[in-house]
Amino acid sequence: QKEVEQDPGPLSVPEGAIVSLNCTYSNSAFQYFMWYRQYSRKGPELLMYTYSSGNKEDGRFTAQVDKSSKYISLFIRDSQPSDSATYLCAMTEYNNNDMRFGAGTRLTVKP
Amino acid sequence: NAGVMQNPRHLVRRRGQEARLRCSPMKGHSHVYWYRQLPEEGLKFMVYLQKENIIDESGMPKERFSAEFPKEGPSILRIQQVVRGDSAAYFCASSEASGRPYEQYFGPGTRLTVT
Repeated sequence: QKEVEQDPGPLSVPEGAIVSLNCTYSNSAFQYFMWYRQYSRKGPELLMYTYSSGNKEDGRFTAQVDKSSKYISLFIRDSQPSDSATYLCAMTEYNNNDMRFGAGTRLTVKP
Repeated sequence: NAGVMQNPRHLVRRRGQEARLRCSPMKGHSHVYWYRQLPEEGLKFMVYLQKENIIDESGMPKERFSAEFPKEGPSILRIQQVVRGDSAAYFCASSEASGRPYEQYFGPGTRLTVT
């Protein structure tokens, strides 16, 4: 079993849809949870991070962490064609720089 | 403020040759991290360096791979005697301090192809 599991998709939605992206993990020591967006042939770009459990909202993006279920989610509201990219979850233990990444979910938002 | 820079962006090597990948961190950043991304897989941590020191190389293959971050100049990831399985995208990230993984900024990557 991988330490971080993420459905690779691909996921295709119409413009304006709500998108839900998810990851599960096995290491209960993970404390930092990040979501990155990666456009084709580019480096990952941090979208949001959460420390420990809870929700965090930033514009159209909401990140949720459920540590009891070892499950994290990223919601994108009013999705736009410019949101088309691969979304990577990443996580790490406290005071640890070794981030563990999911495989990434490829999202396409169709106009 | 320029971001993290990596060069070359694309590198083609024949089996048995050496590959040298360079990473210039963001201005003011003294911490560098190298990751490898295989096709259809997420990034995998390789090594974490500060100026002149390797802090954590737990993700680095034991043979053929080495990394350095000298006092002056970019960080270098060196792969000796490359094999086809080394074909991947190699990303470096930099940060101003350690212990805050969300403050790692990634470069555009070097895509290594071994023929």
